[in-house]
Amino acid sequence: GQQLNQSPQSMFIQEGEDVSMNCTSSSIFNTWLWYKQDPGEGPVLLIALYKAGELTSNGRLTAQFGITRKDSFLNISASIPSDVGIYFCAGRGTSYGKLTFGQGTILTVHP
Amino acid sequence: GAGVSQSPSNKVTEKGKDVELRCDPISGHTALYWYRQSLGQGLEFLIYFQGNSAPDKSGLPSDRFSAERTGGSVSTLTIQRTQQEDSAVYLCASSLVGGSVPDTQYFGPGTRLTVL
Repeated sequence: GQQLNQSPQSMFIQEGEDVSMNCTSSSIFNTWLWYKQDPGEGPVLLIALYKAGELTSNGRLTAQFGITRKDSFLNISASIPSDVGIYFCAGRGTSYGKLTFGQGTILTVHP
Repeated sequence: GAGVSQSPSNKVTEKGKDVELRCDPISGHTALYWYRQSLGQGLEFLIYFQGNSAPDKSGLPSDRFSAERTGGSVSTLTIQRTQQEDSAVYLCASSLVGGSVPDTQYFGPGTRLTVL
């Protein structure tokens, strides 16, 4: 089945630093999504990407849908303590409804 | 408005017992999804409902797992004869349209299942 490889697995950064994480896939996806999950909560959608090459921003977050449709990255600029959490990439292929998730990146921000 | 709710929030059961997990989607959402999240892992798709029918149940790990949805609203995920490897957080999500529309899936807080 489809697999998503997300890296890095974890990051420890100082407040104010920029962060970058990425996902690669063995298969093509039609939609790439980035979610954030806080402890005890379900994931919350941060950014959705629908076209190859698309670059989208949401405040301090920027994400891109790779040209090959097999990868995506998420950047967070000027990190703040509330950015702490687990970030997941997810892809939607031709099987509508089903999302395939990466393993997650655990982000820790030191004040 | 209310988001996706799930009950119970935590469930501890003994190996071999059956469990039922409930999901109440956002009112008016046609599509409903179940995922499983094992410790330190990403989410694993289980099943997708469009209305009361399940066009994609490819993620159900074995025939011990089943799900139903009634009235186009509430869904129940049932695990029979639970095993220790079933221990995980079970997450439900709903979206307004689903199907061929890549709309946003809104997640509930999950049910943490522990099988002793």
